[in-house]
Amino acid sequence: DVKVTQSSRYLVKRTGEKVFLECVQDMDHENMFWYRQDPGLGLRLIYFSYDVKMKEKGDIPEGYSVSREKKERFSLILESASTNQTSMYLCASSPPWTGVSYEQYFGPGTRLTVT
Amino acid sequence: SQELEQSPQSLIVQEGKNLTINCTSSKTLYGLYWYKQKYGEGLIFLMMLQKGGEEKSHEKITAKLDEKKQQSSLHITASQPSHAGIYLCGADPRSNFGNEKLTFGTGTRLTIIP
Repeated sequence: DVKVTQSSRYLVKRTGEKVFLECVQDMDHENMFWYRQDPGLGLRLIYFSYDVKMKEKGDIPEGYSVSREKKERFSLILESASTNQTSMYLCASSPPWTGVSYEQYFGPGTRLTVT
Repeated sequence: SQELEQSPQSLIVQEGKNLTINCTSSKTLYGLYWYKQKYGEGLIFLMMLQKGGEEKSHEKITAKLDEKKQQSSLHITASQPSHAGIYLCGADPRSNFGNEKLTFGTGTRLTIIP
């Protein structure tokens, strides 16, 4: 079974702190994604990566950066956390696009609260 | 504007009753994915629909994609507490919403009451 793990289920940080969210997948997937989920807004893509050291901005990259030094690990960084970044953060991975299916595998999520 | 609209946003249903969740696209869909999320957890893939008029079932959950491939419905028969959660539809990136990523709907929160 595909397993995507996230470093923390719950996290509380103060405004202005630098925050690291880690995601690890064990299926050798090329693609990895970071989403945030907010009530009424659904899932919104922050960044994604289709290879080591490669990254692309999603729909809402402002205030975030990412790092992918190894294939299995994709980190989301909040350089200076703000209260409007309080949210549920979901990581996902997927194999390369095959032309058939675009199924993504999700981690359990990290609920981040910024006070 | 939201390219994928789900309705209703939330639903409270008595255990044993049937229910339907809808997902409407502003563009013709190449494919449509349904995911379920238990509260506070990640998403679990349910099923994928690609052909107009296609219908798939898994246990008590049936998903359909209309002939025009712009609307999908998810129907749950004889609901159980285990069905509670958030249901999200996702558009195949080939649906051309201007990017190559999966586009998600806003989600429907389903609560089952005994």
